[in-house]
Amino acid sequence: EPEVTQTPSHQVTQMGQEVILRCVPISNHLYFYWYRQILGQKVEFLVSFYNNEISEKSEIFDDQFSVERPDGSNFTLKIRSTKLEDSAMYFCASSPSSGTDTQYFGPGTRLTVL
Amino acid sequence: KQEVTQIPAALSVPEGENLVLNCSFTDSAIYNLQWFRQDPGKGLTSLLLIQSSQREQTSGRLNASLDKSSGRSTLYIAASQPGDSATYLCAVRRNDMRFGAGTRLTVKP
Repeated sequence: EPEVTQTPSHQVTQMGQEVILRCVPISNHLYFYWYRQILGQKVEFLVSFYNNEISEKSEIFDDQFSVERPDGSNFTLKIRSTKLEDSAMYFCASSPSSGTDTQYFGPGTRLTVL
Repeated sequence: KQEVTQIPAALSVPEGENLVLNCSFTDSAIYNLQWFRQDPGKGLTSLLLIQSSQREQTSGRLNASLDKSSGRSTLYIAASQPGDSATYLCAVRRNDMRFGAGTRLTVKP
């Protein structure tokens, strides 16, 4: 069964550094999402992406964040200058043909900012 | 602002018991509601999706209901098994997706 994959599984970085988290959505899906989950807290929506542009973003998704679909398979989340409070699990998700379809989540990337 | 609440926060039951997990939300203007399972340190596995026009969905031993007007959903798990032990999350979708904090379920052999 097709799956969403994410790399790396764990990323450790120094405060102020840039990080890029990578996701490969399910191949025929058209809608892509990023979420984060700070340890012990709720899963939070960051951004949705369709047709090569952002369709929705939360108040968390400020100028430090950006998303890109650089080719036909990858979907990336960039954090320009990491802060300690960016430490979290970051999940990518994709859905097939409509923004109201089931979302399929990847296994996550654990980001640790030191 | 949409708030999603799940009760109870934790639940421990003996194997074989039927159980109900509850989810409530404050804004009934939703597109759908999705139930997920999350194992420790892992991603989210979609269990059931209920569109706003639907009242329930079933998959195997799982049954989810939705009462949009009262802002409630329940996840019913029949004949629970130790392998059902996980955190169960509900999430409501409008323009974004809002999650509850989850119910941590332990099924004891």
